Amino acid sequence: KNEVEQSPQNLTAQEGEFITINCSYSVGISALHWLQQHPGGGIVSLFMLSSGKKKHGRLIATINIQEKHSSLHITASHPRDSAVYICAVRVADKLIFGTGTRLQVFP
Amino acid sequence: DARVTQTPRHKVTEMGQEVTMRCQPILGHNTVFWYRQTMMQGLELLAYFRNRAPLDDSGMPKDRFSAEMPDATLATLKIQPSEPRDSAVYFCASGLRGQGNEQFFGPGTRLTVL
Repeated sequence: KNEVEQSPQNLTAQEGEFITINCSYSVGISALHWLQQHPGGGIVSLFMLSSGKKKHGRLIATINIQEKHSSLHITASHPRDSAVYICAVRVADKLIFGTGTRLQVFP
Repeated sequence: DARVTQTPRHKVTEMGQEVTMRCQPILGHNTVFWYRQTMMQGLELLAYFRNRAPLDDSGMPKDRFSAEMPDATLATLKIQPSEPRDSAVYFCASGLRGQGNEQFFGPGTRLTVL
C-alpha cells in the first residue's frame, strides 16, 4: 500500500464546476504539500499546510491531521486549471508523493 | 525573479554514455533536492543536500548515480554508465530550512537513454 493515496486518478469537469481532489496518507508528517504540474512539465507549489485551511484565489486546501486526510478544492474551475495535481507529505526533510490526479476542464 | 535553473532541458544519449545534469538553486537556499519522475513510479526523491553536505542519497542507485554540490550555486547529478531504464525527467528543487521548508522546483531535465 502506498503511503500517500490520491483520488480520483483522473477527473473531467465542465468549466465552472466545483472540484475536489482527495489525499490520504498513512505516515506521521510535519506538513503536506499540494503541487501542480502543467502539461509542459513544470511543477509549482500551490500550498504547504500542517493544519486547518488555506485559500489562494479559487483554490482552497484543507487538512485533517487526526484523520490523515487533505483535500484540494477548486471553485469555478477554468480550462487553464487543467493539470496534474500532486499531493506530497513531508516526513522530516523528505517529500513522499502521491501518484497525482489528472484534471481536465472543458469549456 | 528568483528561480531554480536546470541544464540541459533535454538530453538524448546512448546506453553506456555518461550523463551530467546541472542545477542552480535559488540564491540563499541551503537545501537542494534531486527527484526523478517516471510514468511508472511517479516522483521519487533521489538525494538531497543541506549546506552542500549530502544528507540522504538512499533513493539513488549507488553503482551508477552520483550527486555533488561543488559550490553553493551548483548541484550536479551524474549517471555513469547510463541505461535505458534511467529515462525519466529529473527535477531539482531548492528550499530554505527554517523558512517554512517550501520547495521550489526547477523545470526538469528530460533524459532519454537509447
